[in-house]
Amino acid sequence: GNSVTQMEGPVTLSEEAFLTINCTYTATGYPSLFWYVQYPGEGLQLLLKATKADDKGSNKGFEATYRKETTSFHLEKGSVQVSDSAVYFCALVYGGSQGNLIFGKGTKLSVKP
Amino acid sequence: DTEVTQTPKHLVMGMTNKKSLKCEQHMGHRAMYWYKQKAKKPPELMFVYSYEKLSINESVPSRFSPECPNSSLLNLHLHALQPEDSALYLCASSQDSGRSNQPQHFGDGTRLSIL
Repeated sequence: GNSVTQMEGPVTLSEEAFLTINCTYTATGYPSLFWYVQYPGEGLQLLLKATKADDKGSNKGFEATYRKETTSFHLEKGSVQVSDSAVYFCALVYGGSQGNLIFGKGTKLSVKP
Repeated sequence: DTEVTQTPKHLVMGMTNKKSLKCEQHMGHRAMYWYKQKAKKPPELMFVYSYEKLSINESVPSRFSPECPNSSLLNLHLHALQPEDSALYLCASSQDSGRSNQPQHFGDGTRLSIL
């Protein structure tokens, strides 16, 4: 079946540290891949997306590359800030329908000053 | 600022009450969604409306009744809820439910507590 697996949290980093949150997927066909972020008390915001193999999504210093050979979409940021503290969800859409949006379990990131 | 507006932000209701959650978007999107999110879990899809017609109902109990009065509005009518229905209810919209590369835009949710 279709699924998303992301690294278990919580992840705690110091400000300016390098961030990697691993995400791998299983899907039929060619899914579109997304990272969403949820700040405390808020809904989900789209962070970045990639819709075909080798695409790199980027936004606010975050990057992720669609790797079909390893079925991965790892999230990276070179220097995190306290304001990046949030829950990050990796997600995919398969079968050409947004009704087939599947989320990973989420990874909570805490950044300490 | 979120482009999908949900009201109310918080709702406390008894198990015999009837209430409604409201969602509004003005991005011209033709697909709208309801999700339920429990603490420390990802959102779970409840309903999908495409061009104002219900296209997906993920086996949601009948005590939840969705309604799409027009392309900008989405309601979720609640009746005789159970304590386990306490959760964050998120509304989302996208340009077209059939476009996998067009992401969903989420509101900030309604936090529902059932007494």
